[in-house]
Amino acid sequence: DTGVSQDPRHKITKRGQNVTFRCDPISEHNRLYWYRQTLGQGPEFLTYFQNEAQLEKSRLLSDRFSAERPKGSFSTLEIQRTEQGDSAMYLCASSSGGAVNTEAFFGQGTRLTVV
Amino acid sequence: AQKVTQAQTEISVVEKEDVTLDCVYETRDTTYYLFWYKQPPSGELVFLIRRNSFDEQNEISGRYSWNFQKSTSSFNFTITASQVVDSAVYFCALSEGSGYSTLTFGKGTMLLVSP
Repeated sequence: DTGVSQDPRHKITKRGQNVTFRCDPISEHNRLYWYRQTLGQGPEFLTYFQNEAQLEKSRLLSDRFSAERPKGSFSTLEIQRTEQGDSAMYLCASSSGGAVNTEAFFGQGTRLTVV
Repeated sequence: AQKVTQAQTEISVVEKEDVTLDCVYETRDTTYYLFWYKQPPSGELVFLIRRNSFDEQNEISGRYSWNFQKSTSSFNFTITASQVVDSAVYFCALSEGSGYSTLTFGKGTMLLVSP
């Protein structure tokens, strides 16, 4: 396991279509995060999982967005009825658990373009 | 609310010059963590350093050094003898609390190192 893996790397979709992204975290990490990054900005937090439990969601995560992490392993992020404003890089990160705030390791991201 | 400011949008230097990237943060917590990440053109965020709020010692790692000053709420990053491979966007980030916590990123500083 060499790092966080995301699939696909690029996705072009028509407005109104649904898309799903996958993230495979570092195998021993129980924490998983999704971030969104638009051009010229830093990543913005979307949601966080500890094992299979989704513990926090940002207000950026509208009801068109849903994320899952079945069995506490890989995670999926689905966007329904995509809009042009959803065009962004979607980044997944993972970190190990514990009381200390450990560093998160990021994947290469999925670049979504909504046309 | 937590906030990270990277006032420098873009910096251009010539190879072998030293360069300092500024980061100013705001938080009400007494326990927090500061991070620097590098984002090369490939898109993946690469972890560089994590410091907690109780450790103000400066750190040096090869050509990289970090200056953490709580008095001015700053966590600046210096690259000595810059190289073309250092060209990337650099993000400073803040995480509050001692357990898991999401990252709040600055907008990033694009560093261009020319030969």
